[in-house]
Amino acid sequence: EILMTQSPATLSVSPGERVTLSCRASQSVSSDLAWYQQKPGQAPRLLIYGASTRATGVPGRFSGSGSGTEFTLTIGSLQSDDFAVYYCQQYNNWPPWTFGQGTKVEIK
Amino acid sequence: EVQLVDSGGGLVQPGGSLRLSCAASGFIFRTYSMNWVRQAPGKGLEWISYITSSSSTMYYADSVKGRFTISRDNAKNSLYLQMNSLRDEDTAVYYCATFLGSSSYFDYWGQGTLVTVSS
Repeated sequence: EILMTQSPATLSVSPGERVTLSCRASQSVSSDLAWYQQKPGQAPRLLIYGASTRATGVPGRFSGSGSGTEFTLTIGSLQSDDFAVYYCQQYNNWPPWTFGQGTKVEIK
Repeated sequence: EVQLVDSGGGLVQPGGSLRLSCAASGFIFRTYSMNWVRQAPGKGLEWISYITSSSSTMYYADSVKGRFTISRDNAKNSLYLQMNSLRDEDTAVYYCATFLGSSSYFDYWGQGTLVTVSS
């Protein structure tokens, strides 16, 4: 099973700031890495797949990078709608599909 | 428009059973694999089960293997999760999810249904 580790657990940021979230895989997942956004009481929403491809309708301020074991999600200029929990997930080696434990982006 | 509607959650005693359903629309259900993913209160996401389009293959997380059974009815565009021998730690929101895209990332999710296991 591939273990996914996200850091930090919580990020306190101000609107307009640039934000970088990290995700590490316990072994290479190539570029088979997705990012999801989840707001309270809602289902997760796909943001990024293939490590760097934005899903349909995702604003351009979201970008993903990385390959192998190290990945980042960057939010270029944080908007009020972006305060949420973000999860990474690998789909290179399954089952199981595995998620990171999440990074909460909160208002500073 | 793709829609997945989860239902069937509720309060059940430890050791009890519950059957969850997911009604799908907006895509050709019979041609796509389906999954269940759960989230315990205040916790992260955990994939728990997968079924191929023809029901020929099913996978389970170790945490539910032998207790949960995934199934589908392609004529009814529906996915199911039969949960037996429920434990306190099965308390979670359960989501059906699928991958309609080019690979096995979860691009569509149901709204979730809450299962509470408590005496």
